[in-house]
This record gives sequence, structure tokens and C-alpha cells, in this order.
Amino acid sequence: GEDVEQSLFLSVREGDSSVINCTYTDSSSTYLYWYKQEPGAGLQLLTYIFSNMDMKQDQRLTVLLNKKDKHLSLRIADTQTGDSAIYFCAERDPSQGGSYIPTFGRGTSLIVHP
Amino acid sequence: DAGVIQSPRHEVTEMGQEVTLRCKPISGHDYLFWYRQTMMRGLELLIYFNNNVPIDDSGMPEDRFSAKMPNASFSTLKIQPSEPRDSAVYFCASTNDGIEAFFGQGTRLTVV
Repeated sequence: GEDVEQSLFLSVREGDSSVINCTYTDSSSTYLYWYKQEPGAGLQLLTYIFSNMDMKQDQRLTVLLNKKDKHLSLRIADTQTGDSAIYFCAERDPSQGGSYIPTFGRGTSLIVHP
Repeated sequence: DAGVIQSPRHEVTEMGQEVTLRCKPISGHDYLFWYRQTMMRGLELLIYFNNNVPIDDSGMPEDRFSAKMPNASFSTLKIQPSEPRDSAVYFCASTNDGIEAFFGQGTRLTVV
């Protein structure tokens, strides 16, 4: 199976909260990331969390990490139409000789409708 | 810095032709990655370089694919001969701090 798994689609109403979930397999991952890809563009780092943290908050974004269950989530409060994009979960695999090799999930397409 | 620059942005070619994709990483970044994105497979790592040296090319699908990094500011991904199943968006990314990977805008390749 895949190292990083995400659901492919999420549809929410404007103003609601969005929660995008991700599961990963490598328990030794030191960093976990959320990247955002807008249409026709490359990926951009949205936020990241160290594996020794449970939660990180940055304005409308809240990242929750459950190491026991290897579960990562991204909550977007007050979702706007401009948040419509593909969101990628990624982990850094330290076993790759210390190199920075991010492993990406397949991405969750967030669709925000009025 | 202008970020990671890829060219061309779009490429349409006929099956059997050679295709060369180009990437200029951010100055000072010592890691460079080539990814391929398709609906079926998502984002796949094809190959990555560290200090211009290819480290892991296990993601390169076939011998038709090759990548080079002749210097710190330039890399190419070549497909010869191209096939319709190579149609995808190809991304180049670079990093130096091990925290954030910076992606280019991608090259959308269509092989007809």
C-alpha cells in the first residue's frame, strides 16, 4: 500500500470548517507537512509539524498529529472559495540516509461551494 | 530569487519524438527533485540529485527516461522516445534546509 494515504475529494460550504485527513506508515518520520497546489501551479508548503508536537496553529489553519495512530489532519476554519485547491500530506523519511526526501500522498481536492 | 524555473510550461509532441524538460533550481539549493503528476498515480518522485550527483533514480519508469544535472543551476529530464502514457505534469523542486521543498510551475507534457 501507499506510504501516505488521503481521501481524494472533500466538498464544503463556504464559511464552514474543512478537515483533511492523512495517515502515514513511517513511525520514524520527523517532519510532517501539508502542501497546497492551486490550479495550474506547483506545490507550496502550507505548514509543517515536528513529530514531537501534537498540534500547531497558524491563523485559520490547525494541524493535529496523532503519532500513536499515525494520523495527521489539517483543519481550515472559515473556509473560503480561495481555499479550493489540492492539499498534499507529506512525510520526511529520515531513513533515506538523512537526506530530505518527502513522500507525498495523492492529494485531497478541496471544493468550496457558496 | 525568481523561484524554481521550469521550461517549457507546455509541450505537445508526437509519439516517438524526443522531449527535453528543463529546470533551474533556486540558487544555493543543493537538492533537486523531479516529480511526475498524473490523475492515476498522483505525485511520483522520479529522481533526485544532491550537489549535482544523482542519488536515487529508482522512480524513473523506464530506460527511455534520463536526467542530468551538469551544474548547480541547471537540470534536464529527457524522454526518448516519448509515448502517450508519458503525458503528465512534470515538476522540478529544490531545497537546501531540509524543511521546505520549493516547486516550479511544472511542465504539462502531452504526447499524441
